[in-house]
Amino acid sequence: DSGVTQTPKHLITATGQRVTLRCSPRSGDLSVYWYQQSLDQGLQFLIQYYNGEERAKGNILERFSAQQFPDLHSELNLSSLELGDSALYFCASSPSGGNTIYFGEGSWLTVV
Amino acid sequence: AQSVTQLGSHVSVSEGALVLLRCNYSSSVPPYLFWYVQYPNQGLQLLLKYTSAATLVKGINGFEAEFKKSETSFHLTKPSAHMSDAAEYFCAVTSGGGADGLTFGKGTHLIIQP
Repeated sequence: DSGVTQTPKHLITATGQRVTLRCSPRSGDLSVYWYQQSLDQGLQFLIQYYNGEERAKGNILERFSAQQFPDLHSELNLSSLELGDSALYFCASSPSGGNTIYFGEGSWLTVV
Repeated sequence: AQSVTQLGSHVSVSEGALVLLRCNYSSSVPPYLFWYVQYPNQGLQLLLKYTSAATLVKGINGFEAEFKKSETSFHLTKPSAHMSDAAEYFCAVTSGGGADGLTFGKGTHLIIQP
């Protein structure tokens, strides 16, 4: 158990819909990351937040957005969903000044 | 920019044989290197990491990796494979501090033959 908690574990939704994935980082970790894992793209870095502020952006689509709240939990919002958005979405966290990133179990999103 | 190349999308070894998973990286600054393992239907688990201390790094489950700057490599090894080692293995690089997240290789699927 990495200490990073993600909900929901599985989600099935229709094209065009919007979903929110939730992440609670390890206790005390200020950085939160979101990654997407799909068969064709592999593991792709989406975005990073540090103590509520956006720190780095990767291959995140404009239809996707994220935020980190004062209690440090984070949400990834996916809108206007397409079939190709079906993937495993990971949240990860790391401590301030730390260089190790710890991953949650992931949220499986299936778009039908 | 950083990148990671994992040679061999699938590697098959016999139980008890040496495991060698190859990883080469590209980084414009001194890298931090990681190996993660993903068991079926599970998340990513950290196996080991290199952060500019000892070049030979020991991890969990008997795995180790050696950082070779001259070869820009960070290959993962285990002397004797066990059936429970069957999984997907990912090599990853970052410039440190987690500031830009991890850049992952495409992964190597390790198959253990009985």
